[in-house]
Amino acid sequence: GEDVEQSLFLSVREGDSSVINCTYTDSSSTYLYWYKQEPGAGLQLLTYIFSNMDMKQDQRLTVLLNKKDKHLSLRIADTQTGDSAIYFCAEDSGYSTLTFGKGTMLLVSP
Amino acid sequence: DADVTQTPRNRITKTGKRIMLECSQTKGHDRMYWYRQDPGLGLRLIYYSFDVKDINKGEISDGYSVSRQAQAKFSLSLESAIPNQTALYFCATRGTGNYNEQFFGPGTRLTVL
Repeated sequence: GEDVEQSLFLSVREGDSSVINCTYTDSSSTYLYWYKQEPGAGLQLLTYIFSNMDMKQDQRLTVLLNKKDKHLSLRIADTQTGDSAIYFCAEDSGYSTLTFGKGTMLLVSP
Repeated sequence: DADVTQTPRNRITKTGKRIMLECSQTKGHDRMYWYRQDPGLGLRLIYYSFDVKDINKGEISDGYSVSRQAQAKFSLSLESAIPNQTALYFCATRGTGNYNEQFFGPGTRLTVL
C-alpha cells in the first residue's frame, strides 16, 4: 500500500536553512505536495511539484524531487520563527485523495 | 469569513454518546473530505464525497458515518463514541485545478471520556 515517511522533528536556528525530507511509495503520483499546519489551525498548501520536474523554487522555498529514489525534500532558506509549524508531505493516492505523511515539526529558535 | 467552517470547535462527550460534527464551505467545491489527526500519526482519511450522491469510505471509516446534505455541507457522525476516537477532526474541500489543493477547516477537537 501507499506510505509516506518523514522524520518527526527538526530544530534550527533563525536565519539557518531548514531541510525537511520525505519518501513516498507510489511512483504513479502525478503531483507531490507540501502542506503547512500552524498551531491551532488546519493545513494549508505551501507548494507542490509536478512529477516530471526535478526542482521547483518559490521565493524562500525549494522543492527537490528524486523520482528514482522516491525522495522529496523541502528547503526553507533564511528560516524565521514564523516558519515554526508542522510540515506534511503528501502524494496523490487516486480518486482525488491524498496520502499524507505523519508530519515534521519544525522548531525555529531565535 | 472563513471559506471552510467547522462546528463545534471543541467538544467533550462521554462513551456511548452520538456526536455530529458539521462542516460547511462557501468555495463552491464538489469534493469534500473528513480526516482525523492524531499525534505522531498524521492525517488519516475517514470519508470523502464527490457530490451529494457520491460517498466513499476512506482508510479508517469504521465507527463513523457521514451525510452530504447539500453541496456545501458534509457532516461526520460518531454513532456511539469511544475513547480512541478522541482526536482532532478536519474537514477539507478540493479545488478545481489539475493538482489536488485541499482547503482545510480549522478543526474540531473531540474528547471522548
